[in-house]
Formats: sequence, structure tokens, C-alpha cells
Amino acid sequence: DVQMTQSPSNLAASPGESVSINCKASKSISKYLAWYQQKPGKANKLLIYSGSTLQSGTPSRFSGSGSGTDFTLTIRNLEPEDFGLYYCQQHNEYPPTFGAGTKLELK
Amino acid sequence: QVQLKESGPGLVQPSQTLSLTCTVSGFSLTSYTVSWVRQPPGKGLEWIGAIWSGGSTDYNSALKSRLSISRDTSKSQVLLKMNSLQTEDTAIYFCTRARGIRGFFDYWGQGVMVTVSS
Repeated sequence: DVQMTQSPSNLAASPGESVSINCKASKSISKYLAWYQQKPGKANKLLIYSGSTLQSGTPSRFSGSGSGTDFTLTIRNLEPEDFGLYYCQQHNEYPPTFGAGTKLELK
Repeated sequence: QVQLKESGPGLVQPSQTLSLTCTVSGFSLTSYTVSWVRQPPGKGLEWIGAIWSGGSTDYNSALKSRLSISRDTSKSQVLLKMNSLQTEDTAIYFCTRARGIRGFFDYWGQGVMVTVSS
């Protein structure tokens, strides 16, 4: 199985700032990486797939980059609703595997 | 509007069988793959298995011997059965819709908390 290593585990920032979350695959997954947001009481939300394609409804302040083994989720000009948990997931091969998550907290 | 909703018992005794139902609306089970994903308390996400639009299944190799996923297309339901439950199976269980041949999940249910305890 492809192992996904996500960093950092925790991140504190203020509204208006920009942050980046990294995800590293144990082998090449081409461009096939997805990012999700998880918030209490809400269904998990797909933000980005295939590395950089924004899911319909994802605000343009979110962007994804990378290919091969190294990927980054960048959130520019943080809004209050952006704080929560973020997970990466490789969708190049079965079984799909997830990173351990990054908790984005209000500073 | 695409929706998925999980249902099932909140508490299962060790060694017993878990049965969960995912009821979907807004799409057809014969057009999309539905996967189950779980999340132990305070931990990350783990893919459990999937039932493809054609009806075939794929399972997490670590759980395969205990797992069965089936569907009832007339009821728009996907059924998960996992036997020989242990305390480490305590988790939130999510059903998800997978898009395309490559399994990323574009819609999720809210999840159902399952506790394995005597």
C-alpha cells in the first residue's frame, strides 16, 4: 500500500494569513492526490482532486500543487471557516490511503 | 442533491457482527462506486472497502476476511457487514461516493459512531 506522510500535524494561523500543508507519498502517485476538509458535525468535504483540480464549490483561495511524491495544499487569505482538519489521500491505486491529518487552528 | 446517510447500531459487543446501512439519494448505485471509510477516535481515515457500479467489490486486505459489502439497488442501499468485532474496530464509519475509476470521494455521509464494548 502507498504510505502518505502529512506535515505538519498541527498549524496555527490567523485570518488573512496564508498556510501550506504538505503530503508525501511513499512512491510516485503521478498527479492523483485529493485533499479533504473535516469539521465537527459536518460531512467531510472534497476540496481538490488530481493534485490541483478544484472541486466545484471550493473557493479559489485553495490551491493544490505537486506531482510524483510531493504535494502541497495552500490556503491563501484564511477565512474563519477554514479552520479544521485537513487530510490528503492518494487516488492513484487501490487501496486508497490517507495522510494522518493536519489540524489548522486559530492563533 | 446527492446525499448519503449511514445507519446502524451504536454499540456492538466484542466478537459480534456489525451491520451498517448506507442509504443514498441523488444518484444511482449502478452509476457510481460507494466506499466505506472509518476513523477511530482521534485518529486518521482508513478505507475499508468498496462496491463498484457493476456490483463487484474490493476490500482492505487487512479486513478482507471479516468483511462483506453488498447492495440493494431497489432501495438505493449499500450494506456493510463486519464480523468478529474487537475494541480496535471502534470508530466512526462513513459511506462515501467515489468518482471515476480512481477512487477519490466527492460526497460523504455524516458518519455513524460504532463502539465495540461489552
